Amino acid sequence: DQQVKQNSPSLSVQEGRISILNCDYTNSMFDYFLWYKKYPAEGPTFLISISSIKDKNEDGRFTVFLNKSAKHLSLHIVPSQPGDSAVYFCAALGGGGSNYKLTFGKGTLLTVNP
Amino acid sequence: DTGVSQDPRHKITKRGQNVTFRCDPISEHNRLYWYRQTLGQGPEFLTYFQNEAQLEKSRLLSNRFSAERPKGSFSTLEIQRTEQGDSAMYLCASSSYVYEQYFGPGTRLTVT
Repeated sequence: DQQVKQNSPSLSVQEGRISILNCDYTNSMFDYFLWYKKYPAEGPTFLISISSIKDKNEDGRFTVFLNKSAKHLSLHIVPSQPGDSAVYFCAALGGGGSNYKLTFGKGTLLTVNP
Repeated sequence: DTGVSQDPRHKITKRGQNVTFRCDPISEHNRLYWYRQTLGQGPEFLTYFQNEAQLEKSRLLSNRFSAERPKGSFSTLEIQRTEQGDSAMYLCASSSYVYEQYFGPGTRLTVT
């Protein structure tokens, strides 16, 4: 049972435009959410996070939005750059059973075309 | 800040052999985690250490798997009697707080 879902396996955008990556979750007890970026043959790199008590967090070109009522979060990248091309993972912390375990989605492959 | 390091980066072994992986966390981090990632999936939690104490183990961690973190510094993950289903990327992460976990480059295990 996937508690964190990234329903789009891939996304392609033009350089300079906005990239929007989506994530849905089912466990209302998750209390912290993180986005990671992963290049091939490397480990995931932490990008940005958001607490469940907030609805928005911004860091440079990256903004994460959280809609608790819809159990939905999204990562916006503006403007998108070719170097942003990677797999993006949404992850959630908490969930009632553990305060340490990250639960990941399956990832979305973002391709930014020059 | 040298980041999380893992050794080896790649390991090919025959079914039935034992393998051991090492993780060196970021030096000031007291929390260390192991995850496993297979193709097309996100990382899955295996186990968690706070200092030298192993505080949580996933049911994914069968009795063929054992992890240690002596003296609360580096950690090792051993798989005994490897099976083809153990082929995966094994990722180590560390943190100083519960929230943001920082990952190493991973060890890719191939069991033939």
